[in-house]
Amino acid sequence: QKEVEQNSGPLSVPEGAIASLNCTYSDRVSQSFFWYRQYSGKSPELIMSIYSNGDKEDGRFTAQLNKASQYVSLLIRDSQPSDSATYLCAVNGGGGATNKLIFGTGTLLAVQP
Amino acid sequence: KAGVTQTPRYLIKTRGQQVTLSCSPISGHRSVSWYQQTPGQGLQFLFEYFSETQRNKGNFPGRFSGRQFSNSRSEMNVSTLELGDSALYLCASSPLSGYEQYFGPGTRLTVT
Repeated sequence: QKEVEQNSGPLSVPEGAIASLNCTYSDRVSQSFFWYRQYSGKSPELIMSIYSNGDKEDGRFTAQLNKASQYVSLLIRDSQPSDSATYLCAVNGGGGATNKLIFGTGTLLAVQP
Repeated sequence: KAGVTQTPRYLIKTRGQQVTLSCSPISGHRSVSWYQQTPGQGLQFLFEYFSETQRNKGNFPGRFSGRQFSNSRSEMNVSTLELGDSALYLCASSPLSGYEQYFGPGTRLTVT
């Protein structure tokens, strides 16, 4: 079992729709969870962090965390073509004592105009 | 605040050579982590430095090494380059453990 799993996609949604990206992780001691966006040829850009169970909203983005189910998700409302990118789920692998991030393979999102 | 900077941005080396990459973190950030990104393996953790001490190391051979200076700037070194070392090398900085990490633009290394 991989430590962080994501559906590789591509996930195709029409412009204006909600895109839902999912991630599961295996290490129960993980305490910090992050979503990064990576455009082709660029470095990852942090878009959301979440540390406790529940929802966290920032503009059009909502991150959801369920530690009991070891599940993290990202919702993108009113999707725009500029949101087309690979979305990487990352989990802190040190239980908070270090900054070792374990990444999923990423989900490719394509927003159709 | 200026972001994370990495130099050089692109590098072409020959198999067997060694290479040194540099990373300057965001001002005030004491943690610098290095990652390797390849199409086949994705983003993989190399090592982390915090206040000049290596705090964690990924599953990479000893040819990969690093260090951090008192101003938090960090370098990583790869000796005896192999073709499989061709990758995008990313560094990320963070102010605290378990906190958000911000990536630099990366160094694209090509080994021929």
